[in-house]
Amino acid sequence: NAGVTQTPKFQVLKTGQSMTLQCAQDMNHNSMYWYRQDPGMGLRLIYYSASEGTTDKGEVPNGYNVSRLNKREFSLRLESAAPSQTSVYFCASSGVRGRLAGGTDTQYFGPGTRLTVL
Amino acid sequence: AQSVTQPDIHITVSEGASLELRCNYSYGATPYLFWYVQSPGQGLQLLLKYFSGDTLVQGIKGFEAEFKRSQSSFNLRKPSVHWSDAAEYFCAVGAPRGSYIPTFGRGTSLIVHP
Repeated sequence: NAGVTQTPKFQVLKTGQSMTLQCAQDMNHNSMYWYRQDPGMGLRLIYYSASEGTTDKGEVPNGYNVSRLNKREFSLRLESAAPSQTSVYFCASSGVRGRLAGGTDTQYFGPGTRLTVL
Repeated sequence: AQSVTQPDIHITVSEGASLELRCNYSYGATPYLFWYVQSPGQGLQLLLKYFSGDTLVQGIKGFEAEFKRSQSSFNLRKPSVHWSDAAEYFCAVGAPRGSYIPTFGRGTSLIVHP
């Protein structure tokens, strides 16, 4: 099992350019997430998807869009990149602990994408 | 709403010394609790988790954590630190029902001196 994979690993953009970060998981998880990590800020949730066909905003969604293409894939799109979006982006997936209870379970993270916007 | 605090931004220890990283949470009932480790340039990896039962949980790489309900804490410990333990450590709190999204602390950076 590859777990959670992300592409690309590194990217440099100019202000105003667009790009899509790709994420895929092979653990048959229903839930997928996009986080950004900035120094001193910890992990901040951008968007998440409870299941195929649903997406919801997290803590910092402005400037981003997402697509849950199928159960395996969850992409993050920057339509018009800004320097404030320079960050490390992590994709994660998880199951749900107790199918009816809907509790938190372990998250599995990808290796990250290091994005610089000039 | 749940929240988690990691009071120490940086911790420096000598190789071979013992380690304790602090984590305090806020939640209305008994939460689910997690510790993750992030090595430089890597994603986060689960060290250990607490759902219920024995309040002392063992994890990978020789780490353990103890859930103390009276102190709302879930501190991470290791009796003897190795240089390879230098990393960022994140505590996270989750809910047993109704919300599958964890809340992460801001992390503690562990520096290990030879």
